[in-house]
Amino acid sequence: DTEVTQTPKHLVMGMTNKKSLKCEQHMGHRAMYWYKQKAKKPPELMFVYSYEKLSINESVPSRFSPECPNSSLLNLHLHALQPEDSALYLCASSQGQGGNTIYFGEGSWLTVV
Amino acid sequence: AQSVTQPDIHITVSEGASLELRCNYSYGATPYLFWYVQSPGQGLQLLLKYFSGDTLVQGIKGFEAEFKRSQSSFTLRKPSVHWSDAAEYFCASRRDGQNFVFGPGTRLSVLP
Repeated sequence: DTEVTQTPKHLVMGMTNKKSLKCEQHMGHRAMYWYKQKAKKPPELMFVYSYEKLSINESVPSRFSPECPNSSLLNLHLHALQPEDSALYLCASSQGQGGNTIYFGEGSWLTVV
Repeated sequence: AQSVTQPDIHITVSEGASLELRCNYSYGATPYLFWYVQSPGQGLQLLLKYFSGDTLVQGIKGFEAEFKRSQSSFTLRKPSVHWSDAAEYFCASRRDGQNFVFGPGTRLSVLP
């Protein structure tokens, strides 16, 4: 079983809604990640937090807003999304940033209608 | 730029047959190498990893992988495939201070 927990598992939202995806890990990892995965494609990196500070933003549109309240939690706030944002959103963590193994959660399936 | 290739988009094997999935990376120095499996509707699960040392690494679920520096390859193998192994398999690499780079994935189908 993965030690990275994501909620909700499924989310359907309208283009004017505001929602959040949540991620929690209790492995003492200090780096946390958000990835986006479309069907039949590898995961694409969106954001990296290292020691609770945003260290990488891969030119993600501002309608996605990450937040790291503490070393165990990572949120992804969603607002004014487009249908093409529908995808599997994966949270992951690693002991540190770079050169370490990344452990993934089960993902949150997002559908924008 | 870093890149990982998986030559086979889709592989079909019969249950009980052996499996070999190929992965090649392009770097000057050996990166850290990983194989992940993703079952339908699930996240990615780590099967095994190679950092250094013995070029044959053992993983979970009966998988093993062989690293060959001369061929820049990291080949995943399983002697006898089970129906539950049907999934998408991603090879990935990482260097110190760099992000993960994923291959495009190989979809495995298992015939009964």
